[in-house]
Amino acid sequence: DTGVSQDPRHKITKRGQNVTFRCDPISEHNRLYWYRQTLGQGPEFLTYFQNEAQLEKSRLLSDRFSAERPKGSFSTLEIQRTEQGDSAMYLCASSLNSADTQYFGPGTRLTVL
Amino acid sequence: GENVEQHPSTLSVQEGDSAVIKCTYSDSASNYFPWYKQELGKRPQLIIDIRSNVGEKKDQRIAVTLNKTAKHFSLHITETQPEDSAVYFCAASSGGGADGLTFGKGTHLIIQP
Repeated sequence: DTGVSQDPRHKITKRGQNVTFRCDPISEHNRLYWYRQTLGQGPEFLTYFQNEAQLEKSRLLSDRFSAERPKGSFSTLEIQRTEQGDSAMYLCASSLNSADTQYFGPGTRLTVL
Repeated sequence: GENVEQHPSTLSVQEGDSAVIKCTYSDSASNYFPWYKQELGKRPQLIIDIRSNVGEKKDQRIAVTLNKTAKHFSLHITETQPEDSAVYFCAASSGGGADGLTFGKGTHLIIQP
């Protein structure tokens, strides 16, 4: 499968724990985006990278959230001290360059107990 | 920031009839407007997009129209089929799609046999 992949697909954690998600974009895609989607809502933009540079962060991305793309390929999204309100589907998307279609991955569903 | 409103939230049509979903946006700088289809438990998939230098775009049974003056755009699906049943999201972005997308809340399209 040459599409965007995400790992894990599901994560259940207890409140206060840290979690980390991984996204592997389509090969050679320069742009990588993170979104969050809650039930019955559209995806909400969190942040994006151009290669390894993080270019924009939404106000939704509190200081408990951090994202990296160290080598300009895969990316990780870490949530520290998880809260019940963090429960959502975390979607990753990638695009070839700045004006191309964003292709989404299958998402990581996070449940915080 | 950008705000995207989408209507209706639920749309039920008879198989073979047409379906129209409407979105409005607030930021006059937005210039890229994609539509995504999301089936239950699946990733969002692009079905059609339009840029602000174009008023209408068609792809087989799907068309999108854009009115920049009124800041609204619409998705038209003709000859609907059961496999069209899904949640449809409109989105808007400035920077030609390079930046994060702002999504509407979605329309649940139900095709009645």
